[in-house]
Amino acid sequence: DAGVTQSPTHLIKTRGQQVTLRCSPKSGHDTVSWYQQALGQGPQFIFQYYEEEERQRGNFPDRFSGHQFPNYSSELNVNALLLGDSALYLCASSSLRTANTGELFFGEGSRLTVL
Amino acid sequence: TQLLEQSPQFLSIQEGENLTVYCNSSSVFSSLQWYRQEPGEGPVLLVTVVTGGEVKKLKRLTFQFGDARKDSSLHITAAQPGDTGLYLCAGGTGGTSYGKLTFGQGTILTVHP
Repeated sequence: DAGVTQSPTHLIKTRGQQVTLRCSPKSGHDTVSWYQQALGQGPQFIFQYYEEEERQRGNFPDRFSGHQFPNYSSELNVNALLLGDSALYLCASSSLRTANTGELFFGEGSRLTVL
Repeated sequence: TQLLEQSPQFLSIQEGENLTVYCNSSSVFSSLQWYRQEPGEGPVLLVTVVTGGEVKKLKRLTFQFGDARKDSSLHITAAQPGDTGLYLCAGGTGGTSYGKLTFGQGTILTVHP
């Protein structure tokens, strides 16, 4: 049973560029949430996708956008990159069946460095 | 804005010692989860507690959810070097907010042989 897979694992960009990160959820899961984890901090919620729509959003600017495809996979896009966007970006999948417990299954993350 | 405060932020102990990590909030959560994260990897779920006062044991790890569902603790008995890692607590509000967790800042645990 494949877990949550993310790509790329590492990438380096320069200020002002755009980046796209990808995520495939765990088999049987229909919901994808994205988190940003700065070094030495806990993850912070960016947004969540369910049924190809953004359902919830955290306190992140519009430069952060996303998409969910019919096969439940998802993309996170960040435009006009800033140095402060350097972080580990985590994708987490879940299912409506576990909604009451809020359990999430995380991928290994994409480490973004902005120079 | 819901916040979760973890303490301590850093813990360095010798193998065989016991330890407790605390997670506190002024907000009520419908569930509280504990994750462990290794460097360069995503968090791995250890346990979920959903009932106030609930206690769960996972081998040498004991998790407790406060009666008012605002706080939680993780106790490790006879710590081993393999327990080294970042421990994160996360609160969920369930319902239509499932998948949106509020994380504490984490506790970095180092267990020396």
